[in-house]
Amino acid sequence: AQKITQTQPGMFVQEKEAVTLDCTYDTSDQSYGLFWYKQPSSGEMIFLIYQGSYDEQNATEGRYSLNFQKARKSANLVISASQLGDSAMYFCAMREGVSNFGNEKLTFGTGTRLTIIP
Amino acid sequence: GAVVSQHPSWVICKSGTSVKIECRSLDFQATTMFWYRQFPKQSLMLMATSNEGSKATYEQGVEKDKFLINHASLTLSTLTVTSAHPEDSSFYICSAQPQRSGLGEQYFGPGTRLTVT
Repeated sequence: AQKITQTQPGMFVQEKEAVTLDCTYDTSDQSYGLFWYKQPSSGEMIFLIYQGSYDEQNATEGRYSLNFQKARKSANLVISASQLGDSAMYFCAMREGVSNFGNEKLTFGTGTRLTIIP
Repeated sequence: GAVVSQHPSWVICKSGTSVKIECRSLDFQATTMFWYRQFPKQSLMLMATSNEGSKATYEQGVEKDKFLINHASLTLSTLTVTSAHPEDSSFYICSAQPQRSGLGEQYFGPGTRLTVT
């Protein structure tokens, strides 16, 4: 079974609108971490936001927020007031187990290509 | 903060030659660095996990003799593609995990596009 599922291969959104990128995950660990990364056409992976499994509040970083629904095992990324520069691939990723200060692998989803339309 | 550089950004080499790619964490120390391969329009595929001063751990199906990884210091890891063939052409990305991070986040380099002719 896929550990990280991103069901939207591509999305088109009008500039200034909010957009939600879906991510569901599968793990039997009680402690885990969820990440979102952005990959522009240049190729570099940019770390956007993190949510820990024990975090009670949804994570927010500027225009990015993470809609964490633990019972549903979903960790959707919400981008408010989208901008042309948000056009990129977005990957959801998971770290299973407790962070051990090193050596933690991330499992990535297949990504969603977001295109912002002017 | 948390900048990772990768060099070269692109390289073209002839079949049978070896290519070395460097990954450096510029403003933090990284106990662990990771090497990924990414095919066009696909997700990242983890090749190996490298820890400073010890042998790399390779993922299943990755040839350790073909993809040599050295993690000589807390800020430098290198990937050498030995006897490269056209099927090794790909986008290679490294990442570094901060030594004292409690999250397990990885910071990525800009990637190296390898073309083997």
